[in-house]
Amino acid sequence: QVQLQESGPGLVKPSGTLSLTCAVSGGSISSSNWWSWVRQSPGKGLEWIAEIHHSGNTNYNPSLKSPVTISLDKSKNQFSLTLTSVTAADTAVYYCARVDAGCYNLWGQGTLVTVSS
Amino acid sequence: QLVLTQPPSASASLGASVKLTCTLSSGHNMYSIAWHRQQPEKAPRYLMKLNGDGSHSKGDGIPDRFSGSSSGAERYLTISSLQSDDEADYYCQTWYGSVRVFGGGTKLTVL
Repeated sequence: QVQLQESGPGLVKPSGTLSLTCAVSGGSISSSNWWSWVRQSPGKGLEWIAEIHHSGNTNYNPSLKSPVTISLDKSKNQFSLTLTSVTAADTAVYYCARVDAGCYNLWGQGTLVTVSS
Repeated sequence: QLVLTQPPSASASLGASVKLTCTLSSGHNMYSIAWHRQQPEKAPRYLMKLNGDGSHSKGDGIPDRFSGSSSGAERYLTISSLQSDDEADYYCQTWYGSVRVFGGGTKLTVL
């Protein structure tokens, strides 16, 4: 059974860089799925950030203000997210997820990232 | 522009049924969506994929109490025999091309 587990620092300084990793276990990241990051600001709804396919193709949410990069490491069976120049508005719970034909069908447990000095 | 609209809240009694609604924006009547449930302080959980013709496929372990249906631009999630742990936020989600869209969510209260 495939499972997803996020990891990364819980606190990032304003204007700093937020880096998160999602480890995929029980299955291969080189499957036909896409792999995605979604975030949820406190008390708010879900916001799609970006997604990546093992072929290297990527898609990004054009409405995001902070520069975003998603990457994938086949050797470690994991994918990562990097946001630069973060602000307090980037404070959120970040979820990684598996996407099958556009449909989010598996979620990680989430990790809270706070942007504060 | 593809938008999903959900009422912010709904309520129903323990043991009863409730039908939650997700509305697709004009011109997108036949789009498929997915339903997700987010219990308090937990990650979302995938419930089902729901097509425009009403056919649906549920995620692993999702009980028969959960079903989906469609009518025009409306997508529905029906939960029968409501239990206390059905009290949660329910999100619909769709996609077109390289874009993913979430509805604003409906907070379901079980009375």
